[in-house]
Amino acid sequence: GESVGLHLPTLSVQEGDNSIINCAYSNSASDYFIWYKQESGKGPQFIIDIRSNMDKRQGQRVTVLLNKTVKHLSLQIAATQPGDSAVYFCAEREGAQKLVFGQGTRLTINP
Amino acid sequence: DAEITQSPRHKITETGRQVTLACHQTWNHNNMFWYRQDLGHGLRLIHYSYGVQDTNKGEVSDGYSVSRSNTEDLPLTLESAASSQTSVYFCASSDNREGADTQYFGPGTRLTVL
Repeated sequence: GESVGLHLPTLSVQEGDNSIINCAYSNSASDYFIWYKQESGKGPQFIIDIRSNMDKRQGQRVTVLLNKTVKHLSLQIAATQPGDSAVYFCAEREGAQKLVFGQGTRLTINP
Repeated sequence: DAEITQSPRHKITETGRQVTLACHQTWNHNNMFWYRQDLGHGLRLIHYSYGVQDTNKGEVSDGYSVSRSNTEDLPLTLESAASSQTSVYFCASSDNREGADTQYFGPGTRLTVL
């Protein structure tokens, strides 16, 4: 499949452990944030989102934390599984439906 | 099921040729977007549209054009392909209803310009 980045930050975790992927965003006026997962050869897939009036949002096995003071976003994945191996992107909305994406982090799950 | 599709999935062309990449969505979304994805740059916005007959330039629009004649389609045209346009191209769409902000992506088109 397509390579999405050979020099991405990489996080390696043991299967069953929790993963935390971090993202720094740039625009203090951004009001909406999304995490996407991209597997090799596929398009980005929506995981979870959060609005700027929230600090935390939980989904199935995933939690997003937003710290507006330091413009930091994190994605926590509980009990990681082999299928979680992918590149993860954060994105911020800077105005009227336009998203700006981060560089991505490659998550590798070790058996 | 509603979906977003792109064609072709792979394309090889020569420098100077005109190339058109297709994007079709069946969600009836008003907003559609084209991105390119390159090593070290993540996803960068090329063009976007908020509805029929509306088009806007994104971050890296030089050398590309789009047209929106109906809700379902936003074709991306490279007027004269250059080697620097070798990339993976993704189309996305989103609804413009209040609170519906998520963009949904197609599977991508890998374009190689020789």
